[in-house]
Amino acid sequence: AQSVTQLGSHVSVSEGALVLLRCNYSSSVPPYLFWYVQYPNQGLQLLLKYTSAATLVKGINGFEAEFKKSETSFHLTKPSAHMSDAAEYFCAVSPAGGSSYGKLTFGQGTILTVHP
Amino acid sequence: KAGVTQTPRYLIKTRGQQVTLSCSPISGHRSVSWYQQTPGQGLQFLFEYFSETQRNKGNFPGRFSGRQFSNSRSEMNVSTLELGDSALYLCASNRASGGAETQYFGPGTRLLVL
Repeated sequence: AQSVTQLGSHVSVSEGALVLLRCNYSSSVPPYLFWYVQYPNQGLQLLLKYTSAATLVKGINGFEAEFKKSETSFHLTKPSAHMSDAAEYFCAVSPAGGSSYGKLTFGQGTILTVHP
Repeated sequence: KAGVTQTPRYLIKTRGQQVTLSCSPISGHRSVSWYQQTPGQGLQFLFEYFSETQRNKGNFPGRFSGRQFSNSRSEMNVSTLELGDSALYLCASNRASGGAETQYFGPGTRLLVL
């Protein structure tokens, strides 16, 4: 069974500061990993995904994440936070190999607050 | 391409009633997944449909059901509503690429059960 743990339900940073949102996974097979962002009263927007190609993945809005198999981690970073980054972020996992048939397993989410 | 469409966006129902939610995926996508999002349980997988067939199902009671039509549009139905069914219901349109499946989400339907 797969699971995802997001460390820190709330993260607060100042505008211009580094954003680091942590995600650790547990999976019996090499997984595919995703980060999504959700703004209030909206659905989920895909930020980036890891599908066993490059371990450093670049996404939209200046975000990137690095897959570290030895640490079973897929942390999300952004060098300089912007006020518009304030939202809830979700890490998700699915097993590679196509056996999940449309099922993503999500972490509990991290709410990012950006202070001026 | 147009995104994922979900209707209605908001619903208020009373206990015991039933509700049907609709999802139109991105053109060309044949797989649709449904999720329930609540503050307490987070995002939980309901089921997935591909070419009108349910291929995967989450751990929800039989009151939750779905179907998919030949044009890939999908509906989910919840019968005998309970207060705990109040949630944001999200539909995802799934695209398979190089073995990896990527999900694109709609805006959701917010259901309030009174």
